[in-house]
Amino acid sequence: QVQLVESGGGVVQPGRSLRLSCAASGFTFSSNGMHWVRQAPGKGLEWVAVVWYDGSKKYYADSVKGRFTISRDNSKNTLYLQIDSLRAEDTAVYYCARHVGGGSKWENWGQGTLVTVSS
Amino acid sequence: QSVLTQPPSVSAAPGQTVTISCSGISSNIENDYISWYQQLPGTAPKLLIYDNNQRPSGIPDRFSGSKSGTSATLGISGLQTGDEADYYCGTWDTSLNAGSFGGGTKLTVL
Repeated sequence: QVQLVESGGGVVQPGRSLRLSCAASGFTFSSNGMHWVRQAPGKGLEWVAVVWYDGSKKYYADSVKGRFTISRDNSKNTLYLQIDSLRAEDTAVYYCARHVGGGSKWENWGQGTLVTVSS
Repeated sequence: QSVLTQPPSVSAAPGQTVTISCSGISSNIENDYISWYQQLPGTAPKLLIYDNNQRPSGIPDRFSGSKSGTSATLGISGLQTGDEADYYCGTWDTSLNAGSFGGGTKLTVL
């Protein structure tokens, strides 16, 4: 079955960087667009970024543009999110999600990894 | 980016039917699909409805979706206490190449 397992979260000081990973299994990773979605404590879901199935296109939410970089390694079935210049407002659970088809179908989600930005 | 608006909370008794609305302000919403997600406390979101009204396998037909113009609705019939959760609508805006989610609706089954 499809599995998405995020890792790399933790407590980080403001201004530092962090790289999150999402290990995928149970499907042909190179066939699907992959997204990052985050959820601040007690808040709703916020779409963060997407990378096309082949890595050719990447799009970001305005709130993270310029600081976040999404990437993927299809040979390792792994999705990444590089977060630079961390801010307190980046504190959230970060989920990776598999996009299926051409509509708004985030079919599978990981369990999430918590990033806490604090001095 | 698109903004989707949901009521903060809804409630109903077991066995009853509840609807949750999702309103968009971008005209592009008319041309894009809406999906719905259930998030039980402490867990990841789970896909309930995609492409406005399609259910993934394993989702009971108590859950239904519809869309008209720039608004969408999630319906849940035969409410059970296990349906208590946060529900989110979402969309992929194909013209902006951006995703967005509604603010979420907390369902309480009285």
